[in-house]
Amino acid sequence: GAVVSQHPSRVICKSGTSVKIECRSLDFQATTMFWYRQFPKQSLMLMATSNEGSKATYEQGVEKDKFLINHASLTLSTLTVTSAHPEDSSFYICSAIPVGSGGPISYEQYFGPGTRLTVT
Amino acid sequence: GDSVTQMEGPVTLSEEAFLTINCTYTATGYPSLFWYVQYPGEGLQLLLKATKADDKGSNKGFEATYRKETTSFHLEKGSVQVSDSAVYFCALSTKAAGNKLTFGGGTRVLVKP
Repeated sequence: GAVVSQHPSRVICKSGTSVKIECRSLDFQATTMFWYRQFPKQSLMLMATSNEGSKATYEQGVEKDKFLINHASLTLSTLTVTSAHPEDSSFYICSAIPVGSGGPISYEQYFGPGTRLTVT
Repeated sequence: GDSVTQMEGPVTLSEEAFLTINCTYTATGYPSLFWYVQYPGEGLQLLLKATKADDKGSNKGFEATYRKETTSFHLEKGSVQVSDSAVYFCALSTKAAGNKLTFGGGTRVLVKP
């Protein structure tokens, strides 16, 4: 149980275009999802907290107009990289916290497999 | 703010050797502590966790004990295998921070046959 998927797993796009990455919780609902960015051989950097039905909360230094987050349902959050540039090339990972009728079932985050974005 | 410090790698070991990866933390409040493992090209998998002092998390032969007095959560395995080659991340979360995870820098482990 507690499986999180991401689509696509890899994407190559041209500079100036936009790319959408989906994060889905397959067997649970999640009111909170997180988006991370990971550079080669480095740790994960939290970009933003995605909240179902409300605006995302961005970490300091992350451009909200460039990294658009939409959490439209209890099982889906999307990250759109707008007007992508080569410096946006990275590994993007999402995670989700399962929620039940009374709130979070636990505070453990379940991670997706990641999406490798390459901007040429 | 909260922070996690773990030993830098890479750590290169022979099969069946003993592995220790040190992890220390600073946090406001009472954190939960985690070890995650990342295999090449993949996302993170939770390896083990501990939510209160003196708790020992264990999984797949790995162990770590929550030491509040030394603010540490060192990862150990008595006999590593080639399949344990991966990057290991120590992390913490607190309710005060909205259960966001704060990660250490990661330690790459390479086990040679």
